[in-house]
Amino acid sequence: DAGVIQSPRHEVTEMGQEVTLRCKPISGHNSLFWYRQTMMRGLELLIYFNNNVPIDDSGMPEDRFSAKMPNASFSTLKIQPSEPRDSAVYFCASSSTGITEAFFGQGTRLTVV
Amino acid sequence: AQSVTQLGSHVSVSEGALVLLRCNYSSSVPPYLFWYVQYPNQGLQLLLKYTTGATLVKGINGFEAEFKKSETSFHLTKPSAHMSDAAEYFCAVSIGGATNKLIFGTGTLLAVQP
Repeated sequence: DAGVIQSPRHEVTEMGQEVTLRCKPISGHNSLFWYRQTMMRGLELLIYFNNNVPIDDSGMPEDRFSAKMPNASFSTLKIQPSEPRDSAVYFCASSSTGITEAFFGQGTRLTVV
Repeated sequence: AQSVTQLGSHVSVSEGALVLLRCNYSSSVPPYLFWYVQYPNQGLQLLLKYTTGATLVKGINGFEAEFKKSETSFHLTKPSAHMSDAAEYFCAVSIGGATNKLIFGTGTLLAVQP
């Protein structure tokens, strides 16, 4: 299995632009998580889905952030408009009922200038 | 609610010395506990986990951890550090169930000196 696949690996954008991060979970997994990693705040859980349905989005920092999971093999995290303080590494992870751990992608390093 | 506290954001050891990374957790229900490792510019990789059963769990690369309920701890150890162990280590807790939501500690950066 190729594992969790995230794209792009790196993204540099200007403040005010829309940014879309993409994630393909491991085939057969039914839980998907979006985390954000910064030096100041560590690893924060932004939102997670179970069977394509958002279960808890309490970690989403602002209305500028939105996430979708239109099917079991694809999810997006969108920031509109982006701000410099959104600069971070964003990780996607997937898991499944009966599996206790989550499997992480390589992350997307977002820089907003 | 669950939480994790990792004592020491930076730990430095000499090659061949004992590695001890500390993790304490808080959970209102029996927890599942994890240690993940992150190498530079990489994602997180599972080192080991405790769910139920034996409280001393062994993981990859010679690491092990012991679940101590009375101390609410899950410290990570390795008898002899290797240069390749230099990385950031994260302790995490979940309550399992259908979604396996993980709550992470702030991480400990391990440096290994030659």
